[in-house]
Formats: sequence, structure tokens, C-alpha cells
Amino acid sequence: NAGVMQNPRHLVRRRGQEARLRCSPMKGHSHVYWYRQLPEEGLKFMVYLQKENIIDESGMPKERFSAEFPKEGPSILRIQQVVRGDSAAYFCASSPRRDRGPGELFFGEGSRLTVL
Amino acid sequence: GIQVEQSPPDLILQEGANSTLRCNFSDSVNNLQWFHQNPWGQLINLFYIPSGTKQNGRLSATTVATERYSLLYISSSQTTDSGVYFCAVPRSYNTDKLIFGTGTRLQVFP
Repeated sequence: NAGVMQNPRHLVRRRGQEARLRCSPMKGHSHVYWYRQLPEEGLKFMVYLQKENIIDESGMPKERFSAEFPKEGPSILRIQQVVRGDSAAYFCASSPRRDRGPGELFFGEGSRLTVL
Repeated sequence: GIQVEQSPPDLILQEGANSTLRCNFSDSVNNLQWFHQNPWGQLINLFYIPSGTKQNGRLSATTVATERYSLLYISSSQTTDSGVYFCAVPRSYNTDKLIFGTGTRLQVFP
């Protein structure tokens, strides 16, 4: 039973390039969350998606960041025109989302973005 | 919004010692998770514990939701226990969106 799969594990980009991070949730999970962890800090919520829907993007920066979770394929976090401050670890989590109350979140191993 | 505080911020132990990590939260919650982030950055689920006590090997956790705190116990610590321990609670009732605490950095020396 595969866990949450993220790729790439490490990504290096120059300022101004685009970064695309992918996340496949655990089998049977239909809810995906993206979190960002800056060096020496805790994880901060970015966006919550279900298939073809963005449910909550209150943690996403207003510009350059976007996320999607298409009907087929993985969820993608896209960062356009990256800047050095985007260097961080980006974690994806999935949840089965039970009808009653919150479910347990399971995290992938993260994608570490370095902007030169 | 809900605040999550962890203590101590740093903990240094010798192998074999026991420790207790604390997580305080400012509002009622119906979910709480403990995670271990190892030195390679991987985030590992330890406990999903909205209330009560659970045990898994040398680790156990207790959440007292009415008093707004949770404790993580590590017994007979090993060097592989090193890393950062986070607790996380939902931002609001009946949501999966988690707010993470500030973490406890644990270093276990042989």
C-alpha cells in the first residue's frame, strides 16, 4: 500500500524559472493538502484540494503560485518566476476525509526546492 | 485562530533516557496528530490521538482535550529518535487543515 508519493525529491531552479511539484495521494484518498516548510520552521498550510476543485487556498501567496488536482493524474503545485525566498521544502498530504469529523493526514517525503 | 505551543523547544538526551514532550493548544479540538521529522526531513506519522492514550512501542501519547494539551512520551531513547517532533491540530472544528506547533528538537547522544 504505497504512501503519498511526491516528485521530484529535489529541484534546483534559477530565479525566474518555473517549478512544478507533483503529488499522488494514497490509494483511496481524495483530499490533498500542500504545506510549505521554510528552513528551521514548522509547516505552514498552503492549499486544500479535492479532485478538480480547490477547496481552500487561503495559505497560497497571491501571485506566482497555483495548484490543481485534475480528474486524472497527480496534484501539481506550480510556482512561476521563482525567487530565492521560494526555497523551501514543499510537503503534500492526503486524507480519506471521513464524513464525520477530520481524518488523519499522511504526508509525503517532500520536495525540496532550491532557487539559485 | 488557534495557537499551538510546544515545550521544551530543545531537548538533549543520552541514549536510554526517558522524556516527555508537551503540546498546548488554545481552543477545543477534535483531532490531534504527532509527527517526527527525522534528520533527513521526512515527516513520519506517530499518533492520531484526538483524546485518550495510545502506545506504539517505546512511544506513547496522551491527549486531554478538555484541558487542551497532549503529551508525547519517549522511553529508552535511541539515537534514531533524534529530530524534530511536531504536534498539529485542525485550524477549526471539523476541518482536516492542520496548524503545526513550533516543534521540539530532540538530540539523542550515544
